[in-house]
Amino acid sequence: QITLKESGPAPVKPTQTLTLTCTFSGFSLSTSGEGVGWIRQPPGKALEWLALIYWDDDKRYSPALNSRLTITKDTSKNQVLLTMTNMDPGDSATYYCTHVTPRRGNSFDFWGQGTKVAVSS
Amino acid sequence: SYELTQPLSVSVALGQTARITCGGNNIGNKNVHWYQQKPGQAPVVVIYSDANRPSGIPERFSGSNSGNMATLTISRAQAGDEADYYCQVWDSSTGVFGGGTKVTVL
Repeated sequence: QITLKESGPAPVKPTQTLTLTCTFSGFSLSTSGEGVGWIRQPPGKALEWLALIYWDDDKRYSPALNSRLTITKDTSKNQVLLTMTNMDPGDSATYYCTHVTPRRGNSFDFWGQGTKVAVSS
Repeated sequence: SYELTQPLSVSVALGQTARITCGGNNIGNKNVHWYQQKPGQAPVVVIYSDANRPSGIPERFSGSNSGNMATLTISRAQAGDEADYYCQVWDSSTGVFGGGTKVTVL
């Protein structure tokens, strides 16, 4: 059974750097094809894809946020980290980490419960 | 950048069929995934790669994709199907979501 759980600071001040950790189980990021992605959702708004890292360390970023995002993995700890620089109140949202596999068309087939990030001075 | 267009809301009578559309340029050439999100919960994939149901998703959920439109169909709608629904594709290795559709079961 695949599970993912997000953790991170709350709250965050404007201009600070946010670091989120996704700790997962039930799969390995050393297995061919596997990936972990990050998605966020501001209150009352739509889902927004942020970043994805694959088993082979291939990384993809949202073009709109590319300059602010870094995604990394620690395979031995079953963790994926997402950093976002220069946080702004507009970045307040629930941040989800997700599992991706080619066995299900690279859909986001498992999601964490989400972690709420509030950006406020 | 690639855009996906969904209606803001769809209403369906209990037991009837709801159709939720997702428009995009030549979306028929892409794999479309659909997610259901109930209030306060994380999304759940209900259809992947246009028309495939993950295990545990009722057969009442089906999908199609052709031309410039993908469609999620909910047959015999139940009260528990009330939720927001999002379509999603990959475009040039970038994830793209539609704006979401709120489904109300009357």
